Amino acid sequence: EAGVTQFPSHSVIEKGQTVTLRCDPISGHDNLYWYRRVMGKEIKFLLHFVKESKQDESGMPNNRFLAERTGGTYSTLKVQPAELEDSGVYFCASSQERGLAGSYEQYFGPGTRLTVT
Amino acid sequence: AQSVTQLDSHVSVSEGTPVLLRCNYSSSYSPSLFWYVQHPNKGLQLLLKYTSAATLVKGINGFEAEFKKSETSFHLTKPSAHMSDAAEYFCVVSDLRGGSARQLTFGSGTQLTVLP
Repeated sequence: EAGVTQFPSHSVIEKGQTVTLRCDPISGHDNLYWYRRVMGKEIKFLLHFVKESKQDESGMPNNRFLAERTGGTYSTLKVQPAELEDSGVYFCASSQERGLAGSYEQYFGPGTRLTVT
Repeated sequence: AQSVTQLDSHVSVSEGTPVLLRCNYSSSYSPSLFWYVQHPNKGLQLLLKYTSAATLVKGINGFEAEFKKSETSFHLTKPSAHMSDAAEYFCVVSDLRGGSARQLTFGSGTQLTVLP
């Protein structure tokens, strides 16, 4: 079974440009999460999809960030326009909802390292 | 609200000696607790998890952790360190309100160095 994949692995862009990150979750996982680690800080939650719907987007830093999950499969995270403080590693994770008695372990992708210059 | 405090940003041990990575948590609800590891240039890998079953949890690669509610701790241990254990370790908490999947809250990470 393929794990969570993310593309690209690295991206270097200039301030003011647009970047789109992609995440492909594990097949069959309804839950998809985005997290971010800014240099020297903790890994922070950004948002959570259940299928194609945004369940929780309380961690999104501002309206320059737009996340979508078309058809409940892969997800994209667009940053437009990018600022210097957006640099960091963006992680995607997915999980399979198993209810009260089950586990909802989140499986993480390798991350996308974004550098804004 | 939930939070995690990893008490050491760096831990250095000699190969073959015990490992102790400390974690304290705060949660308003029954928490699920996890330890994740990230090796250089790799993704986050789940080491072990506590979800209200046995308080002593065994994970992969010889790691284990004990949930102590009275101390709000979930320290990670391993009897004998191996060079391949060198990595960054994250203590993570999530609450189980309604039993549904929820966001994870990460600690700041502990960098483990294993000396030959």
